[in-house]
Amino acid sequence: DTGVSQNPRHKITKRGQNVTFRCDPISEHNRLYWYRQTLGQGPEFLTYFQNEAQLEKSRLLSDRFSAERPKGSFSTLEIQRTEQGDSAMYLCASSLVPGFYGYTFGSGTRLTVV
Amino acid sequence: AQKITQTQPGMFVQEKEAVTLDCTYDTSDPSYGLFWYKQPSSGEMIFLIYQGSYDQQNATEGRYSLNFQKARKSANLVISASQLGDSAMYFCAMRGGNEKLTFGTGTRLTIIP
Repeated sequence: DTGVSQNPRHKITKRGQNVTFRCDPISEHNRLYWYRQTLGQGPEFLTYFQNEAQLEKSRLLSDRFSAERPKGSFSTLEIQRTEQGDSAMYLCASSLVPGFYGYTFGSGTRLTVV
Repeated sequence: AQKITQTQPGMFVQEKEAVTLDCTYDTSDPSYGLFWYKQPSSGEMIFLIYQGSYDQQNATEGRYSLNFQKARKSANLVISASQLGDSAMYFCAMRGGNEKLTFGTGTRLTIIP
Protein backbone atom coordinates (compact mmCIF):
# COMPACT_ATOMS: atom_id res chain seq x y z
CA ASP A 1 0.00 0.00 0.00
CA THR A 2 1.54 3.30 -1.10
CA GLY A 3 -0.49 5.64 1.08
CA VAL A 4 -3.38 7.97 0.33
CA SER A 5 -3.81 8.67 -3.37
CA GLN A 6 -5.63 11.66 -4.82
CA ASN A 7 -6.58 12.30 -8.42
CA PRO A 8 -6.20 14.47 -10.32
CA ARG A 9 -3.23 16.37 -8.90
CA HIS A 10 -4.24 19.53 -10.71
CA LYS A 11 -7.53 20.69 -12.21
CA ILE A 12 -8.25 23.89 -14.09
CA THR A 13 -11.89 24.55 -14.80
CA LYS A 14 -14.07 27.38 -16.01
CA ARG A 15 -16.43 29.06 -13.59
CA GLY A 16 -19.79 27.34 -13.57
CA GLN A 17 -18.47 23.90 -14.48
CA ASN A 18 -18.75 20.84 -12.25
CA VAL A 19 -15.64 19.03 -11.02
CA THR A 20 -15.08 15.75 -9.20
CA PHE A 21 -12.06 14.65 -7.22
CA ARG A 22 -11.19 11.17 -6.08
CA CYS A 23 -9.42 9.93 -2.96
CA ASP A 24 -8.18 6.38 -2.40
CA PRO A 25 -7.31 5.93 1.28
CA ILE A 26 -5.00 3.38 2.85
CA SER A 27 -6.91 0.14 2.37
CA GLU A 28 -7.40 -0.85 6.01
CA HIS A 29 -8.36 2.66 7.14
CA ASN A 30 -12.05 3.01 7.90
CA ARG A 31 -12.09 6.78 8.37
CA LEU A 32 -11.68 9.28 5.55
CA TYR A 33 -11.51 13.07 5.80
CA TRP A 34 -11.64 15.96 3.34
CA TYR A 35 -9.95 19.30 4.00
CA ARG A 36 -9.64 22.49 1.96
CA GLN A 37 -6.53 24.66 2.02
CA THR A 38 -6.49 28.13 0.52
CA LEU A 39 -3.31 30.05 -0.21
CA GLY A 40 -1.43 31.08 2.91
CA GLN A 41 -3.77 29.23 5.26
CA GLY A 42 -3.83 25.94 7.09
CA PRO A 43 -6.22 23.20 5.98
CA GLU A 44 -9.86 23.52 7.05
CA PHE A 45 -12.09 20.56 7.78
CA LEU A 46 -14.86 19.84 5.29
CA THR A 47 -16.30 16.41 6.09
CA TYR A 48 -15.46 12.90 7.21
CA PHE A 49 -16.68 9.33 6.79
CA GLN A 50 -16.58 6.21 8.84
CA ASN A 51 -16.81 3.45 6.27
CA GLU A 52 -19.61 4.61 3.95
CA ALA A 53 -21.39 6.80 6.50
CA GLN A 54 -20.82 10.55 6.34
CA LEU A 55 -20.63 11.51 10.01
CA GLU A 56 -19.99 15.25 9.99
CA LYS A 57 -20.08 18.13 7.52
CA SER A 58 -18.61 21.58 8.05
CA ARG A 59 -20.66 24.68 7.37
CA LEU A 60 -17.96 25.36 4.75
CA LEU A 61 -19.51 22.56 2.72
CA SER A 62 -22.21 24.49 0.89
CA ASP A 63 -25.00 22.81 -1.03
CA ARG A 64 -22.80 22.95 -4.14
CA PHE A 65 -20.44 20.45 -2.51
CA SER A 66 -21.19 16.77 -2.11
CA ALA A 67 -19.00 13.93 -0.92
CA GLU A 68 -19.57 10.22 -1.12
CA ARG A 69 -17.85 7.04 -0.07
CA PRO A 70 -20.17 4.46 -1.62
CA LYS A 71 -18.50 1.21 -0.60
CA GLY A 72 -16.45 2.43 2.29
CA SER A 73 -13.31 2.46 0.18
CA PHE A 74 -12.56 5.39 -2.16
CA SER A 75 -14.32 8.72 -1.85
CA THR A 76 -15.34 11.43 -4.29
CA LEU A 77 -15.80 15.13 -3.70
CA GLU A 78 -17.93 16.96 -6.26
CA ILE A 79 -18.27 20.70 -6.62
CA GLN A 80 -21.15 21.92 -8.77
CA ARG A 81 -21.28 25.30 -10.48
CA THR A 82 -17.73 26.17 -9.47
CA GLU A 83 -16.89 29.71 -8.36
CA GLN A 84 -13.53 31.46 -8.25
CA GLY A 85 -13.62 31.23 -4.47
CA ASP A 86 -13.48 27.45 -4.76
CA SER A 87 -9.89 27.69 -5.98
CA ALA A 88 -7.86 25.84 -3.35
CA MET A 89 -5.97 22.67 -2.53
CA TYR A 90 -8.33 19.84 -1.56
CA LEU A 91 -6.67 17.37 0.78
CA CYS A 92 -7.83 13.91 1.71
CA ALA A 93 -6.70 12.00 4.80
CA SER A 94 -7.48 8.59 6.25
CA SER A 95 -7.09 6.90 9.61
CA LEU A 96 -7.70 3.50 11.16
CA VAL A 97 -8.80 4.62 14.60
CA PRO A 98 -9.77 8.03 15.90
CA GLY A 99 -6.94 10.50 16.22
CA PHE A 100 -3.46 9.81 17.50
CA TYR A 101 -0.94 8.86 14.86
CA GLY A 102 -3.45 7.76 12.29
CA TYR A 103 -4.05 10.77 10.05
CA THR A 104 -2.28 10.07 6.76
CA PHE A 105 -2.71 12.75 4.12
CA GLY A 106 -2.58 12.54 0.35
CA SER A 107 -0.77 15.01 -1.89
CA GLY A 108 -3.96 16.89 -2.61
CA THR A 109 -5.80 18.14 -5.69
CA ARG A 110 -5.14 21.74 -6.61
CA LEU A 111 -8.22 23.34 -8.16
CA THR A 112 -8.03 26.55 -10.15
CA VAL A 113 -11.29 28.13 -11.29
CA VAL A 114 -10.87 30.66 -14.10
CA ALA B 1 -14.22 26.14 19.82
CA GLN B 2 -10.64 25.17 19.17
CA LYS B 3 -7.96 27.55 18.00
CA ILE B 4 -4.33 27.18 16.99
CA THR B 5 -2.03 30.19 16.77
CA GLN B 6 1.30 30.21 14.97
CA THR B 7 2.86 33.66 15.22
CA GLN B 8 5.92 33.13 13.03
CA PRO B 9 4.99 33.48 9.34
CA GLY B 10 8.57 32.77 8.26
CA MET B 11 11.91 31.78 9.73
CA PHE B 12 15.43 31.57 8.34
CA VAL B 13 17.88 29.24 10.07
CA GLN B 14 21.47 28.30 9.35
CA GLU B 15 22.03 24.68 8.45
CA LYS B 16 22.92 22.43 11.43
CA GLU B 17 21.44 24.85 13.94
CA ALA B 18 18.43 24.00 16.11
CA VAL B 19 15.13 25.77 15.47
CA THR B 20 11.98 26.22 17.54
CA LEU B 21 8.62 26.77 15.88
CA ASP B 22 5.98 28.27 18.15
CA CYS B 23 2.42 27.03 18.61
CA THR B 24 -0.20 28.03 21.15
CA TYR B 25 -3.64 26.51 21.38
CA ASP B 26 -7.00 27.07 22.98
CA THR B 27 -9.64 24.47 23.74
CA SER B 28 -12.24 23.64 26.35
CA ASP B 29 -11.89 19.90 25.79
CA PRO B 30 -10.20 18.12 28.70
CA SER B 31 -8.71 15.54 26.36
CA TYR B 32 -7.01 16.57 23.15
CA GLY B 33 -4.10 15.77 20.88
CA LEU B 34 -1.53 18.05 19.32
CA PHE B 35 0.17 17.36 16.00
CA TRP B 36 2.89 18.86 13.86
CA TYR B 37 2.88 18.40 10.10
CA LYS B 38 5.42 19.34 7.44
CA GLN B 39 4.18 20.44 4.03
CA PRO B 40 6.79 20.62 1.27
CA SER B 41 6.07 22.34 -2.02
CA SER B 42 4.60 19.08 -3.35
CA GLY B 43 1.58 19.67 -1.08
CA GLU B 44 1.48 16.49 0.96
CA MET B 45 1.03 16.88 4.72
CA ILE B 46 3.71 14.77 6.39
CA PHE B 47 3.12 13.76 10.01
CA LEU B 48 6.05 14.63 12.29
CA ILE B 49 5.07 14.23 15.93
CA TYR B 50 2.11 13.80 18.28
CA GLN B 51 1.50 14.82 21.91
CA GLY B 52 -1.52 13.72 23.94
CA SER B 53 -2.88 16.10 26.54
CA TYR B 54 -2.41 13.53 29.30
CA ASP B 55 1.09 12.50 28.26
CA GLN B 56 3.50 13.22 31.08
CA GLN B 57 6.61 13.38 28.93
CA ASN B 58 7.36 15.51 25.91
CA ALA B 59 7.15 13.59 22.65
CA THR B 60 10.28 12.94 20.60
CA GLU B 61 10.71 11.49 17.11
CA GLY B 62 14.27 11.46 15.86
CA ARG B 63 15.38 15.08 15.33
CA TYR B 64 11.92 16.36 16.29
CA SER B 65 10.76 17.05 19.82
CA LEU B 66 7.66 18.74 21.12
CA ASN B 67 8.03 21.16 24.03
CA PHE B 68 4.62 20.75 25.67
CA GLN B 69 3.72 23.29 28.35
CA LYS B 70 0.13 22.53 29.28
CA ALA B 71 -0.38 25.41 31.69
CA ARG B 72 0.77 27.88 29.03
CA LYS B 73 -1.17 26.02 26.31
CA SER B 74 1.88 25.85 24.12
CA ALA B 75 3.24 23.02 21.97
CA ASN B 76 6.41 24.21 20.30
CA LEU B 77 8.26 22.06 17.78
CA VAL B 78 12.02 21.80 18.14
CA ILE B 79 14.11 20.57 15.22
CA SER B 80 17.67 19.75 16.15
CA ALA B 81 20.57 19.93 13.69
CA SER B 82 18.51 21.38 10.84
CA GLN B 83 19.07 20.13 7.30
CA LEU B 84 18.42 21.70 3.89
CA GLY B 85 15.58 19.22 3.40
CA ASP B 86 13.78 20.69 6.39
CA SER B 87 12.82 23.75 4.32
CA ALA B 88 9.02 23.62 4.10
CA MET B 89 5.80 24.89 5.66
CA TYR B 90 5.13 23.59 9.17
CA PHE B 91 1.65 23.35 10.63
CA CYS B 92 0.58 22.82 14.20
CA ALA B 93 -2.81 21.12 14.58
CA MET B 94 -5.13 19.97 17.34
CA ARG B 95 -7.77 17.30 17.65
CA GLY B 96 -10.30 17.82 20.41
CA GLY B 97 -13.33 15.80 21.37
CA ASN B 98 -14.43 15.39 17.77
CA GLU B 99 -12.68 13.87 14.82
CA LYS B 100 -11.49 16.91 12.96
CA LEU B 101 -8.10 18.58 13.06
CA THR B 102 -7.87 22.34 13.55
CA PHE B 103 -4.76 23.81 11.94
CA GLY B 104 -2.79 26.98 12.47
CA THR B 105 -1.71 29.26 9.62
CA GLY B 106 1.72 27.70 9.45
CA THR B 107 5.37 28.78 9.54
CA ARG B 108 7.55 28.77 6.45
CA LEU B 109 10.98 27.50 7.45
CA THR B 110 13.97 28.15 5.20
CA ILE B 111 17.29 26.50 5.96
CA ILE B 112 20.30 28.47 4.75
CA PRO B 113 23.41 26.54 3.67
